Amino acid sequence: AQTIHQWPVAEIKAVGSPLSLGCTIKGKSSPNLYWYWQATGGTLQQLFYSITVGQVESVVQLNLSASRPKDDQFILSTEKLLLSHSGFYLCAWTRDSSDYTFGSGTRLLVI
Amino acid sequence: GDSVTQTEGPVTVSESESLIINCTYSATSIAYPNLFWYVRYPGEGLQLLLKVITAGQKGSSRGFEATYNKETTSFHLQKASVQESDSAVYYCALGDITGNTGKLIFGLGTTLQVQP
Repeated sequence: AQTIHQWPVAEIKAVGSPLSLGCTIKGKSSPNLYWYWQATGGTLQQLFYSITVGQVESVVQLNLSASRPKDDQFILSTEKLLLSHSGFYLCAWTRDSSDYTFGSGTRLLVI
Repeated sequence: GDSVTQTEGPVTVSESESLIINCTYSATSIAYPNLFWYVRYPGEGLQLLLKVITAGQKGSSRGFEATYNKETTSFHLQKASVQESDSAVYYCALGDITGNTGKLIFGLGTTLQVQP
């Protein structure tokens, strides 16, 4: 069975500090991977997607970056957090474009 | 552009009452939109509740159902008799089956509170 694991579950970080969020998918080779984000009071929006190792496409510019160092790993990061980065981050994978599976998410508060 | 509009919450109903959460969409750049309802229970991640990929079809799961109506561009979520365990946040979403972008367009979410 495929599993998706996100870490950490929650973070409180200072403005200007670095951030790294991770996502690992087990049991599925060559998945399409995605990062979504929801600001407080906002809607979930796609930030990045990746269809293969080493290739990441940016969808929304938020001073964040993403990388896919391994087939089963997707990392979201920034060197300097902004207050506006607070929110809920979700990783997802698809088997095909009609079947998305989401992780349990990371809640980030930037202070 | 592509967008989803759903009932603004919170929605409060009593147990065993019927429920409808409205969802309408605009899919100007998606030739063959897929429609989804996702649910997030307290303390849990986002789960797929039901999906419909063909206009005119109905999806159902856990007593919930929704019909993909292309004429009215709607995908309303209904349940005949809710339970307290249905309390959660419900998201309507629009997706594109073509290509690999995997982009889902979400509504703002509707918080459902079911009172015992």
